[in-house]
This record gives sequence, C-alpha cells and structure tokens, in this order.
Amino acid sequence: DGGITQSPKYLFRKEGQNVTLSCEQNLNHDAMYWYRQDPGQGLRLIYYSQIVNDFQKGDIAEGYSVSREKKESFPLTVTSAQKNPTAFYLCASSIRVSAHLQQYFGPGTRLTVT
Amino acid sequence: AQKVTQAQTEISVVEKEDVTLDCVYETRDTTYYLFWYKQPPSGELVFLIRRNSFDEQNEISGRYSWNFQKSTSSFNFTITASQVVDSAVYFCALTSAVGDKLIFGTGTRLQVFP
Repeated sequence: DGGITQSPKYLFRKEGQNVTLSCEQNLNHDAMYWYRQDPGQGLRLIYYSQIVNDFQKGDIAEGYSVSREKKESFPLTVTSAQKNPTAFYLCASSIRVSAHLQQYFGPGTRLTVT
Repeated sequence: AQKVTQAQTEISVVEKEDVTLDCVYETRDTTYYLFWYKQPPSGELVFLIRRNSFDEQNEISGRYSWNFQKSTSSFNFTITASQVVDSAVYFCALTSAVGDKLIFGTGTRLQVFP
C-alpha cells in the first residue's frame, strides 16, 4: 500500500534531549512537509523539502532541524533549543511543492517532553 | 495576509442530524485554492475537497456538500444525515495559486452521538 509512515506513534523524552521523528513515504513524491499541531490550533509548517538535499524553513523552524538524504525519507529532529516541544507532529507529502496540490498525511507522532 | 477562520470550536449533534461547518477566509489574491481536510481520532489528515477561486459551483459528494461564496468569503461544509463515523476534527485551509504552503484554520471538532 502506498502511503506515509511515521514512527513511533508516541514518544517521550526528557527535557534537554534531542529527539528525531521518522517520516517515510513510498508515493514517489518529490515534496515533503513537517507540521506541528497544538490543541485548539491549526497546523503550522515547520520545514518543507522539494527535492533531495534541499529544504526550506516554514513558519516555526526555530529549534528544529531536518535532512533529506533520500527521496523517501524526511526525518525531523526536535532539538533542546525548542522551547515548547510537546505537540503532535504530522508529516505530509505531495507530488511537488505547490500548495494547491493535495497533500497526503501520515498518522502523526505525539511527542511529550518532561 | 491570508487567514482562515473556523469560529465553531466544537459541535455536537445526534446521528442523522444535518450539520454545517463554517469557514471564512481572507486573501488579497484573485486566484486561490480552498481545501477541507478531516482528521479522525487516528490522527492523519484526510483530504476531502479542493476548490479554486474561479469555480463557485457548489459540490455534492454523497452526504457531503460544499457551499463556496466569494461574496462572503466563505466555504462552508455540510454533512447530511450525520453518522458516528463523521466524528472528527475538520480543517479548512487556503493557499494562493503560487503559494508554497497551506494556511489552516483552527479546526472544528464534530462529535456525532448515536
């Protein structure tokens, strides 16, 4: 089945630790995105990538880093510099970077930092 | 600046009732796209519809229908004869024709009780 996988579903970390969230897609899409979702808020864009070895900051990139070494993979690292990392993180992909195209979403990772 | 407002934070209905989710948007672009996504309890966002600014025809898909009115900058979503499986958070989103990101509303949580 084609789609996006994110692992793990739930992640717990101690404050001050970096943590990496996994996102893999087998849809052969060029573009991939990371969003953050907080209760009562819409999705906010963290980073996006339109091609391997290229990525752009979104609206809330501070405290996060990404890499895109393979077309299928777009991992997100939440660093200790992120002031409030507890949130639900969603990965998405589309055929190419163009916001009017449909985005396909993964099931998300809920990160809790204590 | 672009903005999407979903004023209804939470709606509760009993099964078989009709329900309308409101979406009001702001943009200065003449060409833009509007979306509705559904987020069931499992977490991933599911694409429901995309509408461009030049197509004001209302659309019906089964029990779902969408009313796009440029005069009031609204793109409302109606579920007819709601079912328990419709329980989810619904997001309205906006982008310009050349935009590289979606602007999401804060979502409306719909609870359908048996």
